[in-house]
Amino acid sequence: DTAVSQTPKYLVTQMGNDKSIKCEQNLGHDTMYWYKQDSKKFLKIMFSYNNKELIINETVPNRFSPKSPDKAHLNLHINSLELGDSAVYFCASSQVGTGERYTFGSGTRLTVV
Amino acid sequence: DAKTTQPPSMDCAEGRAANLPCNHSTISGNEYVYWYRQIHSQGPQYIIHGLKNNETNEMASLIITEDRKSSTLILPHATLRDTAVYYCIVRYTGTASKLTFGTGTRLQVTL
Repeated sequence: DTAVSQTPKYLVTQMGNDKSIKCEQNLGHDTMYWYKQDSKKFLKIMFSYNNKELIINETVPNRFSPKSPDKAHLNLHINSLELGDSAVYFCASSQVGTGERYTFGSGTRLTVV
Repeated sequence: DAKTTQPPSMDCAEGRAANLPCNHSTISGNEYVYWYRQIHSQGPQYIIHGLKNNETNEMASLIITEDRKSSTLILPHATLRDTAVYYCIVRYTGTASKLTFGTGTRLQVTL
């Protein structure tokens, strides 16, 4: 039973399209995150939600919009995809106050052509 | 969150201990030291964390100096599957605190 699962695993799409990546965690954690890992392998946090509330919103283009329908889900919608959005996107979750170990999903590799 | 400095790469023979150093000279009193690793394109994996005392779990040991300005992650018997990028991160706990990844140390375990 996967703790943090992301779908899809791979996504190839054309510039200008709109796409969504979904994330679900079954760990009962109260906080979820989106990270982006670019071609240089640098991992950068994008968003964080705690109990469905946006807590961290890094300098990310408005084309990226996260949505957390409940504590167990955090989706990422991207409008008007650009070549530079090509990256691996990782979802993660943690529980505040218990050592806060992040559990990461296996990633979604997005390729914009 | 305090910055950390790690060597870009290290080698280790299989079966030997891998000692990965990390400097965090500007760490604050209530910042924790966390270690994560990323095995080729997988999601990062939590290894261990500590505040002041040395810590050990089934994966590794964490040795933190008395002044807390540096730490060492020890993998006691490295295997080929331990080949990965290892990240040392210092951070406060709490919802507003970010887990910020640096460039890490690429550990190559060889036969």
